[in-house]
Formats: sequence, C-alpha cells, structure tokens
Amino acid sequence: QVQLVQSGAEVKKPGASVKVSCQASGYTFTMYHIHWVRQAPGQGPEWMGWIDPNNGDTKYARRFQGRVTMTRDTSLTSAYMELSRLKSDDTAIYYCARRRSVPIPGVGYWGQGTLVTVSS
Amino acid sequence: DIQMTQSPSILSASVGDRVTITCRASQSISYWLAWYQQKPGKAPKLLIYKASSLESGVPSRFSGSGSGTEFTLSISSLQPDDFATYYCQEYYSYWTFGQGTKVEIK
Repeated sequence: QVQLVQSGAEVKKPGASVKVSCQASGYTFTMYHIHWVRQAPGQGPEWMGWIDPNNGDTKYARRFQGRVTMTRDTSLTSAYMELSRLKSDDTAIYYCARRRSVPIPGVGYWGQGTLVTVSS
Repeated sequence: DIQMTQSPSILSASVGDRVTITCRASQSISYWLAWYQQKPGKAPKLLIYKASSLESGVPSRFSGSGSGTEFTLSISSLQPDDFATYYCQEYYSYWTFGQGTKVEIK
C-alpha cells in the first residue's frame, strides 16, 4: 500500500533552516509529484509547492519562493523540503502528499506530518 | 492567485440534520474542486473530487455539487462521526485550500 513516512519533529531558532524528509513506498516513486503542504495551529492547509521525482522539476507557491527548496533522491525514493530564514509564524505541521491516482485528482495520500516549532 | 472562501466558519448542528457548506472561488475553476474532512491530530481525508465524485469508501450521505465559482458540500443526515472540520481545495491552478468549516455539536 502507498505510504509516505516523514522525519521527526524539529525545534529551530528564528533565522535557522529546517529540512524535512518524506520516504515513499508502495508505488513507482517517479509517477507522481510530491507536494508539500503545511498547516499552522488552528489554520487551514497551505500549499507550498511540488517536485516531480522523475526529473527534479519544481514549482513553488509565490509566498515561499526564495525561501523553500524541494529536492529528491530517487535511489532512496525520498523527497525533501528545506525552508530557510525561519520565523515564528513558520511554526506548523508540514506534510508531504500525493494525489489519489492518475484519474482521481485530490490528495489521496499524506505523510504523518512533521511538527516544526520555531522559537527563540 | 485563486482565493477560496468557505462559509460558514462554524456550523452547529444535531445528529440527523442535513448540513450544507459553501465554497466560493475567486475565479472560475470549472469542476476542479475537492472536499476534505479533518479530525484533530490527523491529516485531511479526501471525500469528494471533481466537485461531485464520491471517493471510494466515503458514505453516500456526503455529496458535492457546483461548478465555476460556487460549490457546496452536503451531508444528508449528520452522524456522530461527522463532527469535524471540512475544507475545500481547488486544483485548477495549484492547490489552494479554504479556511475551513468546523461542524460542531449543537
């Protein structure tokens, strides 16, 4: 079955960077974009961008451009999201996610989430 | 960027009630809309895709409708397991989520 397993919780100081990993299994890794979505406490989900594991192409949401970098390692079937110049309002749960299937859009699979806390 | 606006933000209802949640897009997104249910401490769960298609395993009391800029999620007879927060999401451009509607016990 499809699984997305993320790295553990992180605590960072303002101005630092964080890198979250997402290991995929149960399907052909290069077939589906990996998206990153974050959710701040009490807020709705917020899309950050995607990476195409097939060729490494990326697309970032406008508000994160210049601060986010998404990469992948096909040998490890893993995707990574690095966010730099962290601020307190970057405190959130960060999810990797994948669409349900080729004919079914919508997010069908989510990682378990990684809590990133930014605090001095 | 496309903005998604849900209403109401909070909906108080009783078991057995029919409830309707509205989602409006700032521009036409055709039928490229999904609905999710989220419970505390969990990732969102896909309920509806392409505005009105029911995801496999989701009870038939859930239904979606709409196209263009106006969409609705309806629950025909609210069950105890349905008290949760619901989000709409457009995937016409990238992925934009609404701010959520919390369905709480009246």
